[in-house]
Amino acid sequence: GNSVTQMEGPVTLSEEAFLTINCTYTATGYPSLFWYVQYPGEGLQLLLKATKADDKGSNKGFEATYRKETTSFHLEKGSVQVSDSAVYFCALRAYQAGTALIFGKGTTLSVSS
Amino acid sequence: DAGVIQSPRHEVTEMGQEVTLRCKPISGHNSLFWYRQTMMRGLELLIYFNNNVPIDDSGMPEDRFSAKMPNASFSTLKIQPSEPRDSAVYFCASTSSGGATGELFFGEGSRLTVL
Repeated sequence: GNSVTQMEGPVTLSEEAFLTINCTYTATGYPSLFWYVQYPGEGLQLLLKATKADDKGSNKGFEATYRKETTSFHLEKGSVQVSDSAVYFCALRAYQAGTALIFGKGTTLSVSS
Repeated sequence: DAGVIQSPRHEVTEMGQEVTLRCKPISGHNSLFWYRQTMMRGLELLIYFNNNVPIDDSGMPEDRFSAKMPNASFSTLKIQPSEPRDSAVYFCASTSSGGATGELFFGEGSRLTVL
């Protein structure tokens, strides 16, 4: 079946540090891949996405590249800010139209000044 | 523009009581999803609808849970009777299933506490 595995948290960093959150997936066919972010007390919101192999999604300084050969979609940011503190979810959408997103368990990021 | 609207935002109830959570999707979206979030299990898909029709309810934990979508602008998730292990944040999300992006738009969630 389809599944997403992401690194356990929490991840604790100092401001301006480099961030990597690992995400790997299992899926049939060619899924679309997503990173969502959840700020405290809020719902999830889309951070970035990639729909085919070798695509790079980017937004707000965050990047992730769809690697089919390693079935990975790792999230990176070169210099984190305190305002990036949140829970990050990796997700996939199977290639069949109309299917729901399957989420990883989430990784909590805490950035201190 | 209004996003996905959920109510109530917080609900505290006693074991055995009926709980009804409500969701208004974004106008024009024809797919609606109910997710449950807990520390232990993360974000789990409970059920989703396309054009008001339930497509996949395999994530509904047991018969105590039921969901309806009587029209394109309203859905309910009901738990009867509720149990302490149902305590979680329940999210509703919507999207246009005909769109290519696959992006889901989430509400702010309903935090349920069952005592």
